[in-house]
Amino acid sequence: NAGVTQTPKFQVLKTGQSMTLQCAQDMNHEYMSWYRQDPGMGLRLIHYSVGAGITDQGEVPNGYNVSRSTTEDFPLRLLSAAPSQTSVYFCASSALRGDYGYTFGSGTRLTVV
Amino acid sequence: QQQVKQSPQSLIVQKGGISIINCAYENTAFDYFPWYQQFPGKGPALLIAIRPDVSEKKEGRFTISFNKSAKQFSLHIMDSQPGDSATYFCAADHTGGFKTIFGAGTRLFVKA
Repeated sequence: NAGVTQTPKFQVLKTGQSMTLQCAQDMNHEYMSWYRQDPGMGLRLIHYSVGAGITDQGEVPNGYNVSRSTTEDFPLRLLSAAPSQTSVYFCASSALRGDYGYTFGSGTRLTVV
Repeated sequence: QQQVKQSPQSLIVQKGGISIINCAYENTAFDYFPWYQQFPGKGPALLIAIRPDVSEKKEGRFTISFNKSAKQFSLHIMDSQPGDSATYFCAADHTGGFKTIFGAGTRLFVKA
């Protein structure tokens, strides 16, 4: 049981480049989300989804795009990378019922130069 | 207010001691309060969670104390061990909210 898988683990981008961070879960969780982690700021929600075809914005959505075509996958797209997007990105998933604590992936460390 | 304020930023505890991390929230609609543990290079992992219908929840050496009137909750780690050295995040959400808010984190170091 792999849980939540994120790829790549590390990435360096030049300002203005675009890329997609991949996230996949094998727990049949309806809820998936993307957070970014910056020193001293905890984790901040970028976008989330409560099911295939349903997405919504979180606290810091600007510069990011998401889609959810399947239950398993929730990719995060950086449209035009900026140095302010240098961060560690975490994907999380959860069941919508019961005790809905999150299962996190191991993260993607992104540096924009 | 959507913030969750966490303190201290860092904590050093002797092996066998009690580690205490505190959090405060403003939004009275919050009804789910989890704590996450994160080791370097890893994603956060759910440690323990509480709902406001109880004032305390214990799982092994980890206890959450919850004060609804003060809008505060805390994590107590009894008999702290070097293996507990990690960053701890408190968080809050409300049922159907889907927007869990995290505290800034506490870096705990347990000295052997």
